[in-house]
Amino acid sequence: GESVGLHLPTLSVQEGDNSIINCAYSNSASDYFIWYKQESGKGPQFIIDIRSNMDKRQGQRVTVLLNKTVKHLSLQIAATQPGDSAVYFCAEKVAGGGNKLTFGTGTQLKVEL
Amino acid sequence: EAQVTQNPRYLITVTGKKLTVTCSQNMNHEYMSWYRQDPGLGLRQIYYSMNVEVTDKGDVPEGYKVSRKEKRNFPLILESPSPNQTSLYFCASSRRPRDVPGEQFFGPGTRLTVL
Repeated sequence: GESVGLHLPTLSVQEGDNSIINCAYSNSASDYFIWYKQESGKGPQFIIDIRSNMDKRQGQRVTVLLNKTVKHLSLQIAATQPGDSAVYFCAEKVAGGGNKLTFGTGTQLKVEL
Repeated sequence: EAQVTQNPRYLITVTGKKLTVTCSQNMNHEYMSWYRQDPGLGLRQIYYSMNVEVTDKGDVPEGYKVSRKEKRNFPLILESPSPNQTSLYFCASSRRPRDVPGEQFFGPGTRLTVL
């Protein structure tokens, strides 16, 4: 069945290092993926998305990689800053499933000074 | 400032007492949606609306109602709240989900406790 999950519930990194947050999905029919950032006490914030016809997409300090062979998605944050501390979660959309998104539970990223 | 607003931000109520959580967006977005967020679970969609007077059930619609009489407003109604509806609720909007399905703008959340 469908599942969107994360490998690690908590990730601690030093300020300035790169962060990698992972996400696994099980539905090979998923054709669109999104990463969200949720700071404490706030609503989720769209970070970056990627369609299944792409392997990589870059934004400002963030890169999303999609490996369809192993159904794996990752979010890379370059030069992690204290303001990056938040919960990050992925979401997927299944082709033909309308606009329904299935959300993962999230990884807590902690940036240590 | 482009934003999605929700009211109230916090609410404690008792079982069976009808309540409404309001949601408003000022971005002229067609698509609006309600989610609930519970510990250990990802966001789950309650209801969504593709445009005015067009609403549809999400994954967990039981116990909730919505309406979309105006483009900017999408209230969530709990006719008879129960303790299992204690949760953190988010309203979201986007231009048209066909274009960028994931670029939803979320409100700040409403933490509801039903005693």
